Amino acid sequence: SQQGEEDPQALSIQEGENATMNCSYKTSINNLQWYRQNSGRGLVHLILIRSNEREKHSGRLRVTLDTSKKSSSLLITASRAADTASYFCATGRNSGNTPLVFGKGTRLSVIA
Amino acid sequence: DAGVTQSPTHLIKTRGQQVTLRCSPISGHKSVSWYQQVLGQGPQFIFQYYEKEERGRGNFPDRFSARQFPNYSSELNVNALLLGDSALYLCASSPAPFSGGSQRELFFGEGSRLTVL
Repeated sequence: SQQGEEDPQALSIQEGENATMNCSYKTSINNLQWYRQNSGRGLVHLILIRSNEREKHSGRLRVTLDTSKKSSSLLITASRAADTASYFCATGRNSGNTPLVFGKGTRLSVIA
Repeated sequence: DAGVTQSPTHLIKTRGQQVTLRCSPISGHKSVSWYQQVLGQGPQFIFQYYEKEERGRGNFPDRFSARQFPNYSSELNVNALLLGDSALYLCASSPAPFSGGSQRELFFGEGSRLTVL
């Protein structure tokens, strides 16, 4: 079963605009990660935020985490056509060998 | 350095057949995880192997099996294929046993696209 739910399912913006994707999850987590997937290819890790962190930046990416609301957001600033991809949040829990659990993803289209 | 490599990239099978998918992890990585991604969905965890031992198994039927070799490469086998097994099968590696709480990233291959007719 999938732990996270991304919102929106699909997002279409113009080049240069900011893109915001949200992720909600159900259980307590140790960390939350965001991955990117170009059309039917492998996933690429973007950023990891720990449960005791509230915000993290990496280049044009900004991730926030609100553990009280069990939600996270990924902001891509000044988007480019090359940012067109699906974006997935994945949650990690502390107990045992629980795997990384992925959401259903947001499909982002950046129009030049 | 080579990333995670998977083969074959695409394959077509018919219902009832069996398929073997292969994965070579990044050099130095000893853990391999397998995920199934159905079109329009997120990846679903199938197996994790570390040092040739199964470290975790997702909610998949016994038709799915895997193994890891001494060189840390891995195979995923699916028997008695069903139409619903059509998916992108992703292999991911990590240096050490991976758990959600380990705060490490997974390194994914490009996947094997399986179509069952």
